[in-house]
Amino acid sequence: GENVEQHPSTLSVQEGDSAVIKCTYSDSASNYFPWYKQELGKRPQLIIDIRSNVGEKKDQRIAVTLNKTAKHFSLHITETQPEDSAVYFCAAKTGANSKLTFGKGITLSVRP
Amino acid sequence: NAGVTQTPKFQVLKTGQSMTLQCAQDMNHEYMSWYRQDPGMGLRLIHYSVGAGITDQGEVPNGYNVSRSTTEDFPLRLLSAAPSQTSVYFCASSSDVYDGYEQYFGPGTRLTVT
Repeated sequence: GENVEQHPSTLSVQEGDSAVIKCTYSDSASNYFPWYKQELGKRPQLIIDIRSNVGEKKDQRIAVTLNKTAKHFSLHITETQPEDSAVYFCAAKTGANSKLTFGKGITLSVRP
Repeated sequence: NAGVTQTPKFQVLKTGQSMTLQCAQDMNHEYMSWYRQDPGMGLRLIHYSVGAGITDQGEVPNGYNVSRSTTEDFPLRLLSAAPSQTSVYFCASSSDVYDGYEQYFGPGTRLTVT
């Protein structure tokens, strides 16, 4: 089955700096890669996603890039703000399979 | 729309007790799933359903049962609770079964088994 790994497990940045969170996946047939943000005590919520036929996608301060050859995808957050502090989960879905496999999550802390 | 709702929000069980976690969605989504979240372990899939009458096992199904008699409801049953089932449980739903679309999560149920 699919295996999704996230690195690093924690990340601390200064407010205003950029943050990059990387995920790797194992199944080359995976074709959908979402990122979820979970604030403390809240439910996970989708912030951005990308499909395997696209290399990059942007939405205001966040972007996701996908490298199918290397089987990794990354979340980029620019001009970080304290409200970006949260746990971020990446996930992957294999084409013929309806299941999402999540990584273990990364805790991002933005220092004011 | 209420979205995805879960009850109860908190529950304490003794070892060996059984209970059902309720999940309902009002978005007419075909795909529903149950995850458990433990510190450092991410979101692990317990069971999922691609439509009424169809369920399948996820990554960690042991000790849990599900059924899907309607599109709206997807209850999770713990048959004989164990301390290892202490966790936060999230139900989620999605409009598309196979193509990959946003999963909407419920608010979660925090379960403690003593």
